[in-house]
Amino acid sequence: EAEVAQSPRYKITEKSQAVAFWCDPISGHATLYWYRQILGQGPELLVQFQDESVVDDSQLPKDRFSAERLKGVDSTLKIQPAELGDSAMYLCASSSTSRDTWNVDFGEQYFGPGTRLTVT
Amino acid sequence: AQKITQTQPGMFVQEKEAVTLDCTYDTSDPSYGLFWYKQPSSGEMIFLIYQGSYDQQNATEGRYSLNFQKARKSANLVISASQLGDSAMYFCAMREPNFGNEKLTFGTGTRLTIIP
Repeated sequence: EAEVAQSPRYKITEKSQAVAFWCDPISGHATLYWYRQILGQGPELLVQFQDESVVDDSQLPKDRFSAERLKGVDSTLKIQPAELGDSAMYLCASSSTSRDTWNVDFGEQYFGPGTRLTVT
Repeated sequence: AQKITQTQPGMFVQEKEAVTLDCTYDTSDPSYGLFWYKQPSSGEMIFLIYQGSYDQQNATEGRYSLNFQKARKSANLVISASQLGDSAMYFCAMREPNFGNEKLTFGTGTRLTIIP
């Protein structure tokens, strides 16, 4: 069964350091999402890609966070510099929903195993 | 206002009993979708069940069913015959239409613990 891959699974970094997370969505999925989940809360969307284009990054702290999906397949989320408050689970998800199928596809999102970030 | 509200931070249920996890939502759009996800301690989000706003019948998937009360804006998850493996966080989420740019808005979750 196809899965969303993420790496690393766990990352410990010191504040002010740079950190990067990688996500490989299910093959053929046009839409890719990065979520941040703080302990005890639900996931919150950071950025959404449709192929290689960003369609929503309104909640991405752009002074320190960046995301790219250069070839419309895998994606990287970077934090520089990391702060203590960035400690969280970072979840990647993908969906087959696109602008061509949104009205017939209920838009199930498939999640990867997540990257648990600890900033010390 | 919160778009998704889950009022039960934690629940303890005896094994083999049925359990209902509450979820209320807020939207003015007539077309929307409601999802339930399970998150075990390992962290991955597992899709359980989906209900579309125009679906006439309540969704069911094996031991999971969704009690959809549209007028009350309620979408409760019912797990029948609970098992020890059901112990996890459960999140309700809503998708509102945005022409292919849909995103999910999640509630704060309910931690379910099944007692042997």
